[in-house]
Amino acid sequence: EAGVTQSPTHLIKTRGQQATLRCSPISGHTSVYWYQQALGLGLQFLLWYDEGEERNRGNFPPRFSGRQFPNYSSELNVNALELEDSALYLCASSGWGSYNEQFFGPGTRLTVL
Amino acid sequence: AQSVAQPEDQVNVAEGNPLTVKCTYSVSGNPYLFWYVQYPNRGLQFLLKYITGDNLVKGSYGFEAEFNKSQTSFHLKKPSALVSDSALYFCAVKEGTNAGKSTFGDGTTLTVKP
Repeated sequence: EAGVTQSPTHLIKTRGQQATLRCSPISGHTSVYWYQQALGLGLQFLLWYDEGEERNRGNFPPRFSGRQFPNYSSELNVNALELEDSALYLCASSGWGSYNEQFFGPGTRLTVL
Repeated sequence: AQSVAQPEDQVNVAEGNPLTVKCTYSVSGNPYLFWYVQYPNRGLQFLLKYITGDNLVKGSYGFEAEFNKSQTSFHLKKPSALVSDSALYFCAVKEGTNAGKSTFGDGTTLTVKP
């Protein structure tokens, strides 16, 4: 069974640019989650998508947005990049239900110069 | 609001000794609790979870965790540590009524010395 995949592995942008990160969930999973893992700050919840709808978002500004496609893959867009957006962005997927664990991808390392 | 606390940034144990990584939580409803492990340069991997039933749950790689409702704790344990257990461990909580949002602790770095 293929795991959660993310692309690109690394992304280098300059301040003010836009970044697009992509995620493909495990087959059969309808929920996709995005997290930011900045150095020393643990995992911060960004967004949760299920069945194509945004179900919840964390305490991040509106320039962090995303969408989920009909095949349940997802993309995260970060507009007007700031230096502090440099972090590892993790995508996870799960089946529906609070009791389901999440399966994480390897992450995209975003560096903003 | 739900929250998770991992009071120790770092835990050091000798190989062969028992290990404990602590986690306490706060939710307004019934908690669903999870432990994940992150090895260097790899994504997070699920270890175990508590949903309901027995307070002692067993997971991957010989790890187990004990749910204590009165102390709102979910400590991760292993009877005999291995050097290969060295990694970053995260505790997470979901509230039953809010199916999607997981709140993670800040993580505890476990170092097992030979």
